[in-house]
Amino acid sequence: DAGVIQSPRHEVTEMGQEVTLRCKPISGHNSLFWYRQTMMRGLELLIYFNNNVPIDDSGMPEDRFSAKMPNASFSTLKIQPSEPRDSAVYFCASSRRGPSNYGYTFGSGTRLTVV
Amino acid sequence: AQKVTQAQTEISVVEKEDVTLDCVYETRDTTYYLFWYKQPPSGELVFLIRRNSFDEQNEISGRYSWNFQKSTSSFNFTITASQVVDSAVYFCALSEASNAGGTSYGKLTFGQGTILTVHP
Repeated sequence: DAGVIQSPRHEVTEMGQEVTLRCKPISGHNSLFWYRQTMMRGLELLIYFNNNVPIDDSGMPEDRFSAKMPNASFSTLKIQPSEPRDSAVYFCASSRRGPSNYGYTFGSGTRLTVV
Repeated sequence: AQKVTQAQTEISVVEKEDVTLDCVYETRDTTYYLFWYKQPPSGELVFLIRRNSFDEQNEISGRYSWNFQKSTSSFNFTITASQVVDSAVYFCALSEASNAGGTSYGKLTFGQGTILTVHP
């Protein structure tokens, strides 16, 4: 299994530009989570999906952020327009609860820098 | 609301010392899951352990051991005979059981993390 795949690994963009982060969850996992990590706020949940349906987006900072999961194998997190305070590492994770599945598998993250 | 508190921001030890990382949690759920993750300098989040709320058995895996006590809402992590490679940020996390069905987790809430530095 290739694990959770995120792209790009690094993104540098100018303020005001649109940024799209991508995630491919593990096949068979039915939940997908987007997290943001910063020094000030630590790891915070932005949004999560169960069976492709958004369940809780209360962590999405503002209307500039949007997330979609059009099918079980793909999700995007979009920031439009981007701002310097959006600079962070964005992690995607997927999971499927069960006795033999330990829980959440995280991707390698996308390091976003907005200048 | 769920909350995870890791009161130790940074810990510094010398190699071969034992070290315990504290984790205290709050939840109103009766079914929940506790996790520890390691984040080495390379940045990825590495799973270490999951514990179910109805299983209070302590667990040992090599130099790692975990002490889960529901009475004090704590899930502490001990590294025995620490090594330089153990230097990392360690996160404790709490997950509720999702209402979406038996095959889904709810959201995972992380503590602020403890930076462990092991000196040679």
